[in-house]
Amino acid sequence: DSGVTQTPKHLITATGQRVTLRCSPRSGDLSVYWYQQSLDQGLQFLIHYYNGEERAKGNILERFSAQQFPDLHSELNLSSLELGDSALYFCASSVGGGQLQETQYFGPGTRLLVL
Amino acid sequence: AQSVTQLDSQVPVFEEAPVELRCNYSSSVSVYLFWYVQYPNQGLQLLLKYLSGSTLVKGINGFEAEFNKSQTSFHLRKPSVHISDTAEYFCAVRTPTSGTYKYIFGTGTRLKVLA
Repeated sequence: DSGVTQTPKHLITATGQRVTLRCSPRSGDLSVYWYQQSLDQGLQFLIHYYNGEERAKGNILERFSAQQFPDLHSELNLSSLELGDSALYFCASSVGGGQLQETQYFGPGTRLLVL
Repeated sequence: AQSVTQLDSQVPVFEEAPVELRCNYSSSVSVYLFWYVQYPNQGLQLLLKYLSGSTLVKGINGFEAEFNKSQTSFHLRKPSVHISDTAEYFCAVRTPTSGTYKYIFGTGTRLKVLA
């Protein structure tokens, strides 16, 4: 158990809908990272937040957005969902601002199925 | 643009045999290299990383990797594998860019350890 929690574990929705995925980092960690793992795109880094501020952005679509709240939990919002958005969405956390020496601890993921 | 190539999508190997999982990268700037492992139905776990210094990096679970700048490679090795090493392994590259960074993953290598 990494200490990172993600809810829900599974989500089934329809095309065109909007969903919100939630991530709670390990106690004391200030950074949250989001990743997408799909059969088509493989594993992709989406976005990194540190203490409420966006720190780095990867291959995140404009239909997707994220934020980190004052209590440090983060939410990933996916809108206008398409079949290709079906994937496993991971979040990870680390203690600092994403320095190279830090280790990221990964949550178990949310499996999203878009029908 | 940066890229990561994992040449083998699947590697079967017998228990107690050595294994090498190959990773090559392409980048015009300095890179930091990572290997992650993903056990079935779990999130990612960092095995090891190369940031600087010695080109031979030792990680957890008996794995090691060697950074070869001239061949732009970062192959992962283990001298004797166990059944429990059956998992998917991802190579990743992080590169600095414009005050932030890019983080790119390979397509993964599925290691199957046979009894």
